[in-house]
Amino acid sequence: NAGVTQTPKFRVLKTGQSMTLLCAQDMNHEYMYWYRQDPGMGLRLIHYSVGEGTTAKGEVPDGYNVSRLKKQNFLLGLESAAPSQTSVYFCASSYGGYLLEQYFGPGTRLTVT
Amino acid sequence: AQSVTQPDIHITVSEGASLELRCNYSYGATPYLFWYVQSPGQGLQLLLKYFSGDTLVQGIKGFEAEFKRSQSSFNLRKPSVHWSDAAEYFCAVARPRDDKIIFGKGTRLHILP
Repeated sequence: NAGVTQTPKFRVLKTGQSMTLLCAQDMNHEYMYWYRQDPGMGLRLIHYSVGEGTTAKGEVPDGYNVSRLKKQNFLLGLESAAPSQTSVYFCASSYGGYLLEQYFGPGTRLTVT
Repeated sequence: AQSVTQPDIHITVSEGASLELRCNYSYGATPYLFWYVQSPGQGLQLLLKYFSGDTLVQGIKGFEAEFKRSQSSFNLRKPSVHWSDAAEYFCAVARPRDDKIIFGKGTRLHILP
């Protein structure tokens, strides 16, 4: 099993450009999450999904959109990138809700200039 | 509101020495608590979790944590650290009402040879 994979690993965007980050898991997990990690801030939840076709807002959802059209994939979109969105983005998945172990991907480092 | 505080941003210990990383939480009911580890360039991995019962919890890689309700703490310990333990450690508390985990800002552990 590959576990949780993220595409791409690195990306540089100009302000105003758009992009989509792809997260894929092969563990048949119901729950999937997108976090951002910034120095001194820990991990902050952007959006999450409790099953195929569902999405919900997390702690810092502004400027991001998500979709979960297939159970194994969770997409994070930036419609108009801003320098404040420069961060490392982590996807995670779990069998159930917050009480169960979350399995994390390796991260995507995004720089917006 | 639920929150978790890790008072130490950086900790340096010598290889073979004992380790204690501090975590304090704020929560009105019985908390669900976690410790995750992030090795350089990697995603997070669950070390251990506490839901109820025995207040001393054993985890992977030789780590343990003790829940102390009177002190609102969930400190992580290891009797003898190895160079491979150098990483960033995150304490987290579950927030049942909206199905999320709140992460602390992390403690980076440095190991001296």
